[in-house]
Amino acid sequence: GAGVSQSPRYKVTKRGQDVTLRCDPISSHATLYWYQQALGQGPEFLTYFNYEAQPDKSGLPSDRFSAERPEGSISTLTIQRTEQRDSAMYRCASSTTGGTQYFGPGTRLTVL
Amino acid sequence: AQSVTQLDSQVPVFEEAPVELRCNYSSSVSVYLFWYVQYPNQGLQLLLKYLSGSTLVKGINGFEAEFNKSQTSFHLRKPSVHISDTAEYFCAVSDPGGNYQLIWGAGTKLIIKP
Repeated sequence: GAGVSQSPRYKVTKRGQDVTLRCDPISSHATLYWYQQALGQGPEFLTYFNYEAQPDKSGLPSDRFSAERPEGSISTLTIQRTEQRDSAMYRCASSTTGGTQYFGPGTRLTVL
Repeated sequence: AQSVTQLDSQVPVFEEAPVELRCNYSSSVSVYLFWYVQYPNQGLQLLLKYLSGSTLVKGINGFEAEFNKSQTSFHLRKPSVHISDTAEYFCAVSDPGGNYQLIWGAGTKLIIKP
């Protein structure tokens, strides 16, 4: 596509529910990153993919967080049993290998 | 571990005045340096980047930044700001020897006063 898209743009959920966020990267980009940005802070790295491989999951805060990119294009980030501390902006970026990261509009998650 | 410090959470400045947004990073190894901007209700957009070569980097919308290795700084400047520059500005670094993940500062809100 022309740019990185993310859906939904906003998600409100109740504590304990599972949520899945979606990222559709620029079509020619091999690499895809997920970041989490709490209010008033800069983004923090969660994980990344090279095509469908996921070489680094070190930023995922707990085993409730998981990400997939099964066909090397669209990626999903799933948070199970959401907690209030998961409330944040979730940002997706894509790039060519080692190239500039281009960001989507983000998904703002609110856990009540 | 690398870290990025943006000392000013907010910078108010009059329209048409110059502005400098400060960024310092902790790494002693070679890094790539970036400034991103977030306009209200929009995603993060790349302003400029330093990979190598000339230490003065020019970006979009009249912004420039200077890489200073000895001071581990990458301050962003604009000689004359416009109301449309109202946004939040983020400094970030990445390790070219790693997975290129970005390490971010906390951001600086640029507030333009008419």
